[in-house]
Amino acid sequence: AQTVTQSQPEMSVQEAETVTLSCTYDTSESDYYLFWYKQPPSRQMILVIRQEAYKQQNATENRFSVNFQKAAKSFSLKISDSQLGDAAMYFCAYRKIQGAQKLVFGQGTRLTINP
Amino acid sequence: EAGVVQSPRYKIIEKKQPVAFWCNPISGHNTLYWYRQNLGQGPELLIRYENEEAVDDSQLPKDRFSAERLKGVDSTLKIQPAELGDSAVYLCASSVGSSPIYFGEGSWLTVV
Repeated sequence: AQTVTQSQPEMSVQEAETVTLSCTYDTSESDYYLFWYKQPPSRQMILVIRQEAYKQQNATENRFSVNFQKAAKSFSLKISDSQLGDAAMYFCAYRKIQGAQKLVFGQGTRLTINP
Repeated sequence: EAGVVQSPRYKIIEKKQPVAFWCNPISGHNTLYWYRQNLGQGPELLIRYENEEAVDDSQLPKDRFSAERLKGVDSTLKIQPAELGDSAVYLCASSVGSSPIYFGEGSWLTVV
């Protein structure tokens, strides 16, 4: 079974600084998707960024970028120029391409932005 | 484009009472998911539908939980009778093909 591990329960960063959230996963699949979701106090899961495992290029979305290391099964999220609105729970998630299409989530990292 | 719509947003019930949650997915999304999220944890899948067929319900506690997706669009998740441990946020999500999975705002359940 696939598992996703986020080893940092909490992180904090000064406004305008850069922070990196860690995620590792375990799978025997060669093709899959990885995601980072943001969950503010409202509890809605908001998609931040998506990475296809067959792509070597790391995905970027404005201030958000990932460092995808397939061999190490590592998928970290870098937030540049942190803003107060970035404060939330961040979840790393895995999804197979073939077969079961469900998302498997990590335990989450609570990110605090200090003004 | 409208997102995934869930109702009610909040529900407080006494244990042993029934409760139902409703979900309307994004138009055109044939795959619908119900997830449960306990406090301080990541969401866990309860059931996944492909159109009107439940294709993954292995984590659904079938003794008290039931779900349906009539006509392959809206879905209802029911708990009867509710237990204290059912207090959680119930998230509905939808997708089509290999598109990302989009979530609703969730239904917060408190069982007292």
